[in-house]
Order: sequence, then C-alpha cells, then structure tokens
Amino acid sequence: EPEVTQTPSHQVTQMGQEVILRCVPISNHLYFYWYRQILGQKVEFLVSFYNNEISEKSEIFDDQFSVERPDGSNFTLKIRSTKLEDSAMYFCASSEETASNQPQHFGDGTRLSIL
Amino acid sequence: GNSVTQMEGPVTLSEEAFLTINCTYTATGYPSLFWYVQYPGEGLQLLLKATKADDKGSNKGFEATYRKETTSFHLEKGSVQVSDSAVYFCALSDTNFGNEKLTFGTGTRLTIIP
Repeated sequence: EPEVTQTPSHQVTQMGQEVILRCVPISNHLYFYWYRQILGQKVEFLVSFYNNEISEKSEIFDDQFSVERPDGSNFTLKIRSTKLEDSAMYFCASSEETASNQPQHFGDGTRLSIL
Repeated sequence: GNSVTQMEGPVTLSEEAFLTINCTYTATGYPSLFWYVQYPGEGLQLLLKATKADDKGSNKGFEATYRKETTSFHLEKGSVQVSDSAVYFCALSDTNFGNEKLTFGTGTRLTIIP
C-alpha cells in the first residue's frame, strides 16, 4: 500500500540554525499538510498546500516557516531560525481529495530536537 | 473555532474488556469526524470515519456513531486485545471547501494488559 515517507526520522539542530524537513506524499495525492505534536500535547495543524500554494495556515506558521514543493514528488517544511520551542514531532500528510471525502494519510513523523 | 474534547487518559483495561473512549466536538458547520490511532513509534493511521449525522464508522472491531444531537463521536470496541494498545485521537475536519485541516483532540493512551 502506498505510504507517505518522511526524512529524517530524527533531526538534532542547534538553536538559530535552519532546518528542512522532507516528505514524499503519495504520488496521486493533491492536498498536502504539515502538523506538529509537542511532546505530551495534541497534534496541531500548521499548514495546508494545494495547487502549488498555501491554502491555509495556522497562527503557529509564522514568517520563520515556509513550505515548498520543489519537484513533482517532494514536499518540504523549512524553519529558518529554530527556537527551543520548535522541538516537536512533525507529521506530513497527504490526501487525494479534501478530508471530508478522502482521509489524510500520515507519515511516521520527524522528531526535531533543538538544543 | 472548531475544537475536539476527548476522554483523558491513560486508560488501562484487561484483555477482552469493553472499551469506550469519549469524544465531543464543537464546530461551526457540518464536520466530518475521524478516529486516528498511533502505535508506538509510528505515525497516525486512520481507524474510522463518519461524514454525516447518524453515520457509523467501523474498522477492526471498533465503531463510532456520529451523533449530531449530542455532538459526540465515542469510540467503542466490544472486546479489546493487547495489540490495541496505542494512542487514539479523535479529530474533525470542517467541510467548508478550502478549510479541510484536521482539528485533533489531546489523544487517549490505551494500554491492554493480558
């Protein structure tokens, strides 16, 4: 069964450094998402992406964050200057259609640790 | 805004016990409702969903019914197994086009003991 893959599984970065989290969504999917889960807290929406542009973003997704689909297969999340509070598990998801019609499929996540 | 409130955990049950994890929601429109499961070290997997009132989602012996009158989507299973040990998340998506993000509850950690 096709799946969403995320790399790396664990990223350790010094505070203030840039980090890029990578995701390969399922190939025929059109909608892409990033979520994060701070340890012990709920999964929070960051951003959704459709037709090569952001369709919605949360208040967490400030100017330090950006997303890109650089080619036909990858979907990346960049954090420009990481802060300690960016430490979390980041999940990528994709869906063929909107969530009410087709479920979002999640990757296994990237654990980001900021030192 | 939309929100999901689910039963606080952790929940510990013996094998073959009956399971209920409560979930209630607040939404402005007519959301679709989901249960996702997260096994240790893995990502979120869709367990079941319901897209309109009175729909029942079911999978792997789990069931949940979309109750509009009580704004609830409680997860049930008649006889749990050790392999059901995981974290369970209730979630909703707003059906307004272009606003299909998932809003999650806090998750309920379930442990089944033999």
